[in-house]
Amino acid sequence: DIQLTQSPSFLSASVGDRVTITCRASQVISNYLAWYQQKAGTAPKLLISAASTLQSGVPSRFSGSGSGTEFTLTISSLQPEDCAAYYCQQLKSYPLAFGGGTKVEIK
Amino acid sequence: EVLLVESGGGLVRPGGSLRLSCAASGFTFSDHYMDWVRQVPGKGLEWVGRTRNKVNSYTTEYAASVKGRFTISRDESNNTAFLQMNSLKTEDTAVYYCTRAPHYLGAHYFDSWGRGTLVTVSS
Repeated sequence: DIQLTQSPSFLSASVGDRVTITCRASQVISNYLAWYQQKAGTAPKLLISAASTLQSGVPSRFSGSGSGTEFTLTISSLQPEDCAAYYCQQLKSYPLAFGGGTKVEIK
Repeated sequence: EVLLVESGGGLVRPGGSLRLSCAASGFTFSDHYMDWVRQVPGKGLEWVGRTRNKVNSYTTEYAASVKGRFTISRDESNNTAFLQMNSLKTEDTAVYYCTRAPHYLGAHYFDSWGRGTLVTVSS
């Protein structure tokens, strides 16, 4: 099974800061990686597919990069509405694992 | 507009059964893979299983933690997916989400989610 390790598990940053979340896969997954955002009390929302393709309607301050086993989600200028948990997910093989999540707090 | 509405959650005793439903609208149901994902309150996401689309004969995949106990099915005439859960354990307590997983860029990404339904397994 493929495991995904996200880091950090928690981060606190100020409005306007550049924020980077890392997701490492235990095996090569090419670019079959998604990023989701989950705000408190709501369902997750797909932000990025295929490691770097931004979903329609997602603000351009979000970006994804990486391939193989190392991936990053970057928020170029953190906004108050970005307070949420972020999860990566691999879609290379079953079981379709999620990373442990990163909770982003605004200072 | 794509809409997914889960129902059927509730309190059940260990060893019991429950069937969750996911009513879908706003898209051609038979064209899409449908997945179930669960989340223990305050914890992370766990993929539960998948039913493929009509072209792929509605075949299924499951996480090891539920294989043999949970069954995913679908009713195409009513655009509904089901998660039949048997032999429930306390560790199955979670919010269960239904998701749509269309194919693009080489994989089936979870682009739409329901609001979830809470299943509590407790004596």
